[in-house]
Amino acid sequence: QKEVEQDPGPLSVPEGAIVSLNCTYSNSAFQYFMWYRQYSRKGPELLMYTYSSGNKEDGRFTAQVDKSSKYISLFIRDSQPSDSATYLCAMSAYSGGSNYKLTFGKGTLLTVNP
Amino acid sequence: ETGVTQSPTHLIKTRGQQVTLRCSSQSGHNTVSWYQQALGQGPQFIFQYYREEENGRGNFPPRFSGLQFPNYSSELNVNALELDDSALYLCASSLGVSGGPTDTQYFGPGTRLTVL
Repeated sequence: QKEVEQDPGPLSVPEGAIVSLNCTYSNSAFQYFMWYRQYSRKGPELLMYTYSSGNKEDGRFTAQVDKSSKYISLFIRDSQPSDSATYLCAMSAYSGGSNYKLTFGKGTLLTVNP
Repeated sequence: ETGVTQSPTHLIKTRGQQVTLRCSSQSGHNTVSWYQQALGQGPQFIFQYYREEENGRGNFPPRFSGLQFPNYSSELNVNALELDDSALYLCASSLGVSGGPTDTQYFGPGTRLTVL
């Protein structure tokens, strides 16, 4: 079983739709949870960062963490064509000294159609 | 723009050859991390350097090695290239250690390596 599971999609939605992206994980040591967005031919960019169970909102984006179920989600409201990208979940666990191990999901390819 | 640059953009090598990829971090960022992203996969952590010392390593063999220089540039070297090394190689710079509680990593656009 992989430490982080993410459905690769692809996911295609009409403009204005609410998008739900999800990841599950098996490592209870993960403490910090992130969502990155990666446009084609670009490196990933950090969208959301959270470390506790519950919701965190930033504009049209909401990150949700449920540590008891080992499940995280990213919701995008009023999706726009410019949101079309690959969305990667990432999680980190303390690995000793000053080190944290960062583990990414496979990424979900999202297309928002005008 | 993140301010992290990588060169070259694309590279084609043959099996058994050696390759050096370069990264220029944001000024002031003491940590650089390197990742391998195979097609359709998420980035996999190769190693991290903090102030020119290796500070953590993923499950990659010793033929993957790196250097970090005082001018915020760094290199990833891969010896004895294999077909499976074909991937996008990303570097990311941050103020602190990658994945830590106060860290934000800034990724470069990557170098796409093809091994024939």
